[in-house]
Amino acid sequence: EAQVTQNPRYLITVTGKKLTVTCSQNMNHEYMSWYRQDPGLGLRQIYYSMNVEVTDKGDVPEGYKVSRKEKRNFPLILESPSPNQTSLYFCASSHDSNQPQHFGDGTRLSIL
Amino acid sequence: QKEVEQNSGPLSVPEGAIASLNCTYSDRVSQSFFWYRQYSGKSPELIMSIYSNGDKEDGRFTAQLNKASQYVSLLIRDSQPSDSATYLCAVGNAGAGNNRKLIWGLGTSLAVNP
Repeated sequence: EAQVTQNPRYLITVTGKKLTVTCSQNMNHEYMSWYRQDPGLGLRQIYYSMNVEVTDKGDVPEGYKVSRKEKRNFPLILESPSPNQTSLYFCASSHDSNQPQHFGDGTRLSIL
Repeated sequence: QKEVEQNSGPLSVPEGAIASLNCTYSDRVSQSFFWYRQYSGKSPELIMSIYSNGDKEDGRFTAQLNKASQYVSLLIRDSQPSDSATYLCAVGNAGAGNNRKLIWGLGTSLAVNP
């Protein structure tokens, strides 16, 4: 089954404690992206990757890091989480950057 | 700044009616257009793609694209309470390299009343 898998689905943690949200896709997609979604602000792109070892900032990259060492995986790293990073996060993938994206189920992060 | 605009709603329609959702975009050279449905707390789900002017029908859904007027719409016929969700419009531009991306609207909330 074609899918994008994110883990964890839910996480409550404290300010400053490094965390990683994993994302894996099994569709051999070149393009992968991380979004955060907050009420009234819609989907905002954090980082994206056009292919292995190619990543770039989206619209709201501050406080986040990513890596793309393998085609299927695109983890999101919060080195020192802060409460303003409390949000619903989605990973998405597609063959090309302006083609329909397949989304993971989302990760709800709460930073206390 | 390339933009995609949608009326936030809520759009309220009675069960069985036609729901009409609209989206306008600013980048004249946009080439791909998508409608996603998102239930509260869930991930966006692709329901329609359209690439050329005119209508595209899939079951109860019809997407309409007018590139000259820079709008894309989604019609939902025989609306059901299960159609109650937020509908996101996404537009793909024709830029090169890092300029190729999807631009997302904020979504229109649809409520179908039994």
